[in-house]
Amino acid sequence: AQKVTQAQTEISVVEKEDVTLDCVYETRDTTYYLFWYKQPPSGELVFLIRRNSFDEQNEISGRYSWNFQKSTSSFNFTITASQVVDSAVYFCALSATGTASKLTFGTGTRLQVTL
Amino acid sequence: DSGVTQTPKHLITATGQRVTLRCSPRSGDLSVYWYQQSLDQGLQFLIQYYNGEERAKGNILERFSAQQFPDLHSELNLSSLELGDSALYFCASSVRNGLVGETQYFGPGTRLLVL
Repeated sequence: AQKVTQAQTEISVVEKEDVTLDCVYETRDTTYYLFWYKQPPSGELVFLIRRNSFDEQNEISGRYSWNFQKSTSSFNFTITASQVVDSAVYFCALSATGTASKLTFGTGTRLQVTL
Repeated sequence: DSGVTQTPKHLITATGQRVTLRCSPRSGDLSVYWYQQSLDQGLQFLIQYYNGEERAKGNILERFSAQQFPDLHSELNLSSLELGDSALYFCASSVRNGLVGETQYFGPGTRLLVL
């Protein structure tokens, strides 16, 4: 079975601090894909990144960076110099060969950035 | 804006009633997915359609059904509604053949409240 664990329920930081959101996944499949989505207070789900199991390169996009480590089954997300607009719930998700294309989501981490 | 549209945005109804949620995928996307987000269950996959055919099923109740029409829009029908069906219902679409690993782009959701 596939499982995604986001142990941090809620994180509060002050603007300009760096913050890392943890994601640990479980799957027996060798081919799988990991995703991060953002859910701002308005409620929609916004796609941030997709990474396949064969590509362990870290990725940086502006203030966002992702660290994928197969050895620890983790796909962590770091926001550098956080801003108030980063306040949202962030979901990590997994799509694996054995489960068609459905996304298995973690429970989400609520990030609150204050001035 | 993901390009996926959902109507209505909000729906308030009574127990025992039936409602229909509508989704239009991004232009060119053949695959449509439905997810339910509730406080107790989190984000759960319900069902997937690809080019009019059912492709995968999740924990969808027998009281719920869906279909995808020739113009690729999809409808999710919820009947004999119960209080516990109150949730945010998301539709997502992906571009190619709906197989594992495709990025799913989510609509803004329909918030259903059953009183």
